[in-house]
Amino acid sequence: GAVVSQHPSRVICKSGTSVKIECRSLDFQATTMFWYRQFPKQSLMLMATSNEGSKATYEQGVEKDKFLINHASLTLSTLTVTSAHPEDSSFYICSAPKETSSGYTFGSGTRLTVV
Amino acid sequence: AQSVTQLDSHVSVSEGTPVLLRCNYSSSYSPSLFWYVQHPNKGLQLLLKYTSAATLVKGINGFEAEFKKSETSFHLTKPSAHMSDAAEYFCVVSERTNAGKSTFGDGTTLTVKP
Repeated sequence: GAVVSQHPSRVICKSGTSVKIECRSLDFQATTMFWYRQFPKQSLMLMATSNEGSKATYEQGVEKDKFLINHASLTLSTLTVTSAHPEDSSFYICSAPKETSSGYTFGSGTRLTVV
Repeated sequence: AQSVTQLDSHVSVSEGTPVLLRCNYSSSYSPSLFWYVQHPNKGLQLLLKYTSAATLVKGINGFEAEFKKSETSFHLTKPSAHMSDAAEYFCVVSERTNAGKSTFGDGTTLTVKP
């Protein structure tokens, strides 16, 4: 139980285009979703927190106009990287605050490469 | 506020010898502590977690960790390293009053030599 499904797992896009990443809670309702980013050979850093029915809260230094977060329902949160540039290439992962035997539930991650 | 410090960025051991990956934490509240492993180009896999029960926590693949409140430490150990243990390891703290918002350590790269 308590699975978060994240898609796509890998995406390659051209510079200047937008990419949408989805995280779905499959068997529970997630009023909150955390989005993390991991640059190569670095740790995971919290980018933003999405809240169902209200605006997302962004960590300091994260551009809210570039990383659009929508939490349209209790089971779906999306992160859209707008006008992507090579420096946005990273590993993005979501997490829902439902503690299970597997720890706080993480998606499987999305590896974004912008060329 | 919470923070995590992984004391070693790289650890190298020989196959069959013990592994010690060190982690210190800081938290304003009673924390939940986790160790995750990430193999190259893969997602996160939970090794073990501490959530206020037994201070010695046993996880998968022979790993265990001991929560020491007096030392604010949660070091990860394994008696005998295997080649497949080579990966990146993250110590993570989550405050139960803000369940799910996690702070990751910078990671420790474990290399296992044959």
